[in-house]
Amino acid sequence: GQQVMQIPQYQHVQEGEDFTTYCNSSTTLSNIQWYKQRPGGHPVFLIQLVKSGEVKKQKRLTFQFGEAKKNSSLHITATQTTDVGTYFCAAHSGNTPLVFGKGTRLSVIA
Amino acid sequence: ETGVTQTPRHLVMGMTNKKSLKCEQHLGHNAMYWYKQSAKKPLELMFVYSLEERVENNSVPSRFSPECPNSSHLFLHLHTLQPEDSALYLCASSLYRSDTQYFGPGTRLTVL
Repeated sequence: GQQVMQIPQYQHVQEGEDFTTYCNSSTTLSNIQWYKQRPGGHPVFLIQLVKSGEVKKQKRLTFQFGEAKKNSSLHITATQTTDVGTYFCAAHSGNTPLVFGKGTRLSVIA
Repeated sequence: ETGVTQTPRHLVMGMTNKKSLKCEQHLGHNAMYWYKQSAKKPLELMFVYSLEERVENNSVPSRFSPECPNSSHLFLHLHTLQPEDSALYLCASSLYRSDTQYFGPGTRLTVL
């Protein structure tokens, strides 16, 4: 079945540093979604990207969808302690249910 | 966020017990999901229901038995579980199978 590879698995940054997580698939994706799960919480939807090459921003977060619609990235500028959590990408092809990546756990050292 | 609720929030059970997890969504969605989340496998899809019909069963042991009596409710019946089944069980719903998923707060299950 379809797989979505996400790297890195863990990332530790100093507060104020930037952070990026990457998501890759061997197949062309219909769309890609990003979720954030705070420690002790549940995954919460952040954004969906649909178009090839699409870039969307949410304050310090920048989401990109690759031109070939096979990869995506989430970049956080100047991380804050409130950014701590696990970031998941999720994607599907056609009408299949979402397939989640394994997530990137971000810790921010104040 | 109260769109998807789960009860109980915490559950401790012995290996011979029978218990059920309940999920309810108030979003008018047509698809519901059960996930298992543990340190080894962050988000492991267990079951998918679409319009109350089970459409996916990802090789889940028979000691887990889902039930979807209507589009708003989803249950996970548990019987003779193993300690390695201890995990966070998350319920989610979406308008259709390929849409954004909304998660409940989860049930933290401990099997002794």
